[in-house]
Amino acid sequence: LAKTTQPISMDSYEGQEVNITCSHNNIATNDYITWYQQFPSQGPRFIIQGYKTKVTNEVASLFIPADRKSSTLSLPRVSLSDTAVYYCLVGDHNYGQNFVFGPGTRLSVLP
Amino acid sequence: DGGITQSPKYLFRKEGQNVTLSCEQNLNHDAMYWYRQDPGQGLRLIYYSQIVNDFQKGDIAEGYSVSREKKESFPLTVTSAQKNPTAFYLCASRGPGTAYGYTFGSGTRLTVV
Repeated sequence: LAKTTQPISMDSYEGQEVNITCSHNNIATNDYITWYQQFPSQGPRFIIQGYKTKVTNEVASLFIPADRKSSTLSLPRVSLSDTAVYYCLVGDHNYGQNFVFGPGTRLSVLP
Repeated sequence: DGGITQSPKYLFRKEGQNVTLSCEQNLNHDAMYWYRQDPGQGLRLIYYSQIVNDFQKGDIAEGYSVSREKKESFPLTVTSAQKNPTAFYLCASRGPGTAYGYTFGSGTRLTVV
């Protein structure tokens, strides 16, 4: 599994765009990049997944450069309710791989 | 709606007791997982099962046991051998292929009293 590195914490203000970058230098050809969000005392929930270029859904955008050695989760116009921990996972979602949820990035949105 | 149900939400255990955490899914997922989360930390894998009647140890299996008699159910027993069981326990399942990530339950918070 590709090792990932992401900031431990970030602060933002309501209404701002937040970008969280994840480094994954040893990503493999078959690996996808998946982001999860976890609120306190809840299980993580899937936000977005991508392989290359840009993916956008109703919650976020995911930007992946051509070399795929990093990815950026973009949250547009954050609100207080976006305060959570965000995890970046890289791998091939076949059953043989068990993903490691590291400490993630703790995002605090301030009023 | 399909999903994963964990129960109870809160559980208190006395020293020396075994307790069992329930996890049920109706997503028809083959793979199921148990994770432990300590305050401010990531998730650590306890046990996982990729098919009925089969399961493997994760990174921190000591003091825990599981069974997988039905596809829908993957209960976790925290035994008295687990010296520091106070934590947040999360159950997850996963479907096939790269289009599917993990689906998590809402967790069980276990406290030793």
